[in-house]
Amino acid sequence: DQQVKQNSPSLSVQEGRISILNCDYTNSMFDYFLWYKKYPAEGPTFLISISSIKDKNEDGRFTVFLNKSAKHLSLHIVPSQPGDSAVYFCAASARKGAQKLVFGQGTRLTINP
Amino acid sequence: DTGVSQNPRHKITKRGQNVTFRCDPISEHNRLYWYRQTLGQGPEFLTYFQNEAQLEKSRLLSDRFSAERPKGSFSTLEIQRTEQGDSAMYLCASSPRSAFNRGSSTYEQYFGPGTRLTVT
Repeated sequence: DQQVKQNSPSLSVQEGRISILNCDYTNSMFDYFLWYKKYPAEGPTFLISISSIKDKNEDGRFTVFLNKSAKHLSLHIVPSQPGDSAVYFCAASARKGAQKLVFGQGTRLTINP
Repeated sequence: DTGVSQNPRHKITKRGQNVTFRCDPISEHNRLYWYRQTLGQGPEFLTYFQNEAQLEKSRLLSDRFSAERPKGSFSTLEIQRTEQGDSAMYLCASSPRSAFNRGSSTYEQYFGPGTRLTVT
């Protein structure tokens, strides 16, 4: 039962263009969503988050959009830079209780010069 | 460096042996989580502590796995009688106390570098 899904295993984008990573979830109890970035041999690094009471959150080059009716969120990176090449994980949690994170399978983003 | 630290970074063991991993969370964080990540998958929740109390365990955590957090500081994860299927990256994360009731929204979990376990 995959409650959080990232259907694109990989994405290749040219430097300077916009990268859009997508994520779908099925559990309506989720009310907090996060994106993490992971380099090889390192733990995931927190990027940006959004509460279910919002539909957009922006932090520098990173913007997360949430569409609750569609149970869909996306991460926009603009402009994309070579250092953005990594695996990106979408995660969700319910704020009550353990707040354990449920992760998607990840999308490998490659930024081409 | 005041981030989450994990030791060892790599562990190779023979099937049937016991292994123990250690996690030192960010000092002011009272919540500590363990996750497991296998190749091509996202991290999967194993268990979590609030201070020294272990409050939830995933069904992934078989009876060969045990975790402790004495005095609410560092945590250990022990795997007894290791099997090849235990080979994975074991990740530890910590977060500050939930401020849900006060309206704050800090729920990010901060991850350590992980311990990669290989069972031969």
